[in-house]
Amino acid sequence: DTGVSQDPRHKITKRGQNVTFRCDPISEHNRLYWYRQTLGQGPEFLTYFQNEAQLEKSRLLSDRFSAERPKGSFSTLEIQRTEQGDSAMYLCASSPQGENSPLHFGNGTRLTVT
Amino acid sequence: AQSVTQLDSQVPVFEEAPVELRCNYSSSVSVYLFWYVQYPNQGLQLLLKYLSGSTLVKGINGFEAEFNKSQTSFHLRKPSVHISDTAEYFCAVTPTGGFKTIFGAGTRLFVKA
Repeated sequence: DTGVSQDPRHKITKRGQNVTFRCDPISEHNRLYWYRQTLGQGPEFLTYFQNEAQLEKSRLLSDRFSAERPKGSFSTLEIQRTEQGDSAMYLCASSPQGENSPLHFGNGTRLTVT
Repeated sequence: AQSVTQLDSQVPVFEEAPVELRCNYSSSVSVYLFWYVQYPNQGLQLLLKYLSGSTLVKGINGFEAEFNKSQTSFHLRKPSVHISDTAEYFCAVTPTGGFKTIFGAGTRLFVKA
């Protein structure tokens, strides 16, 4: 178990630029989640994959956000035309099959939009 | 839909004192309950979970939590805290048969010498 890996750890970008984050889940986990966390708040659900299928995307999520998980392995989260309000910690988590399986989190990618 | 309320945003406590972090949830369906801990500059990690059975569950680092269905609560306790317990603690629920875990806003525990 090498843990969930996220890259980069930090990203500073100017408003209007596009950014892409990567997540490598624990290899035997077929479920992958993206969450967003802002200061003083708990993680907020963004989207969920089971294998390569994206099964749910938060209705609060702007169309500027897109996520992929090709071949059911790593995942990418892209934000187009970033806004200052996108500044947050983006967390990736994975879990094995099973509705009561807890989430295994990466250390997150901190995005700062200037 | 589910929601989680953590009643205290910050809890300061002296070392070796007991502590309770409160969590209430709302759900129209049965849920699984979790507590996660986030140490400074680290990712969230599981502290303990309630799936079914005994309502008192024990987790890592001497923490325990009690599920109270009638009060829809899942409070976290530790009889004697250490400086190293300083962290942010998140209560979370997942609906049975579902996959989306909903988190509370977190409680920051400060343990003072």
